[in-house]
Amino acid sequence: EVQLVESGGGLVQPGRSLKLSCAASGFTYSNYVMAWVRQAPTKGLEWVASISTGGGNTYYRDSVKGRFTISRDNAKNTLYLQIDSLRSEDTATYYCAKVRSPHYFDYWGQGVMVTVSS
Amino acid sequence: DTVLTQSPALAVSPGERVTISCRASESVSTLMHWYQQKPGQQPTLLIYLASNLESGVPARFSGSGSGTDFTLTIDPVEADDTATYYCQQSWNDPRTFGGGTKLELK
Repeated sequence: EVQLVESGGGLVQPGRSLKLSCAASGFTYSNYVMAWVRQAPTKGLEWVASISTGGGNTYYRDSVKGRFTISRDNAKNTLYLQIDSLRSEDTATYYCAKVRSPHYFDYWGQGVMVTVSS
Repeated sequence: DTVLTQSPALAVSPGERVTISCRASESVSTLMHWYQQKPGQQPTLLIYLASNLESGVPARFSGSGSGTDFTLTIDPVEADDTATYYCQQSWNDPRTFGGGTKLELK
C-alpha cells in the first residue's frame, strides 16, 4: 500500500524558514517523480514544485522560485520542501504527491498545514 | 498559464446523472485528469488522460473530452459522492488545476 506521510508544518513568522518532509513507502520511491501541491484555506489546489527521480532536475511555479527548494533522499525514501522567506500567501496545506507520467498525481499524502503569521 | 474553468457548484439528487465540466484556455490535448476531494481529506485520482478510470474507482465515474472541453460524469450519483471535484492539465507548464466544482446532494 502506497503511503505518503508529511511532517514539519506549523505556525511560522513572516520571513522565517521551514522544512517540510514526506516519508514514502509501499512503492519503489527512487523510480518516481515526486511533487508538492498546496491548498490555501478554502481555496483550490496549486502545483508548487516537482523533482526528477534522481533529484537532478527540479521544477517550480514562478511565484516560489528562489524561495522554495525541493529535494529528495532516495536512500531514506523521503521528499523535502525547504521554504525560505515565508509570506502570508504561503499559508496552506502542503501535500506530497507521487507523480505518474505524464505528470499527474496518483497518490497524495494527508497534508501538513503551514501558517504564516506574526 | 493554462486556465481551467469549472462551475463552482452543483446540487443533484441521489440516483441522478451529473456532468461536471472543465474548459481550458488553450488546448491540452487529452492530458486532463480529475480528482475528488472530500471535506477534510486529501484529493484522490479518479480519471487520468481524459477518459481512463483509475484502478479501484467505481465505474459510475467516467470522463471524456479533448482539446479544450472536458467532462466528468457520475451516473448514478450516490450520497458518498458529496465532494469537490478538480480537473488538472499536464500538457502545458506549469501544471494547473481548475477552481473545483463542489457537488452537493439534495
